[in-house]
Amino acid sequence: QLQLQESGPGLVKPSETLSLTCTVSGGSISSSSSYWDWIRQPPGKGLEWIGSIYHSGSTSYNPSLKSRVTISVDTSKNQLSLKLSSVTAADAAVFYCARHMSPSLGGGYFDYWGQGTLVTVSS
Amino acid sequence: DIQMTQSPSTLSASVGDRVTITCRASQSISSWLAWYQQKPGKAPKLLIYKASSLESGVPSRFSGSGSGTEFTLTISSLQPDDFTIYFCQQYDNYPYTFGQGTKLQIK
Repeated sequence: QLQLQESGPGLVKPSETLSLTCTVSGGSISSSSSYWDWIRQPPGKGLEWIGSIYHSGSTSYNPSLKSRVTISVDTSKNQLSLKLSSVTAADAAVFYCARHMSPSLGGGYFDYWGQGTLVTVSS
Repeated sequence: DIQMTQSPSTLSASVGDRVTITCRASQSISSWLAWYQQKPGKAPKLLIYKASSLESGVPSRFSGSGSGTEFTLTISSLQPDDFTIYFCQQYDNYPYTFGQGTKLQIK
């Protein structure tokens, strides 16, 4: 059974860079059928897709965040990472990592999720 | 971006009721639509994918229908565990986008 676990600082200062890691267990991040995503949810609000990465390193980002986001993958550690620069209070949210199956296989929906990690932005 | 609009935002119902939640896309997304259930403090849980396919392990009282721009999630007989928040999501095109959510509450 695939499991995803987010980790990283729960508090980030305004204007600094938020950095999170997602560790995948129970399966390989190098699976040819899997894409790996970051999704965020401000407290009490809806879900926003941040971006996606394939094990090759190919990425897709939400245009609304593209200038500030970097998603990377470390296949040797079975991990993906998120960096969000120049954060403000509006970036405070629960951040989830998730998996979606390759669109070529009819995927695009998120069938595995991490438990989420809350990031607060405050000085 | 494809905008997803759910209605209603809040729905009041009783145990045993049949309820329907609607999700409309700003352009055609064929059948590339998923539904999720989210309980407080938890990650969303996939219920339905490709508009009408039931995810493994999800009770059969949940069903989805629709194509193009209009979709519905139906719960045939509400159970106490079903009173929570539901989201739709399109995966026809990047950026993937979600509806704003529907809160299902006890009447």
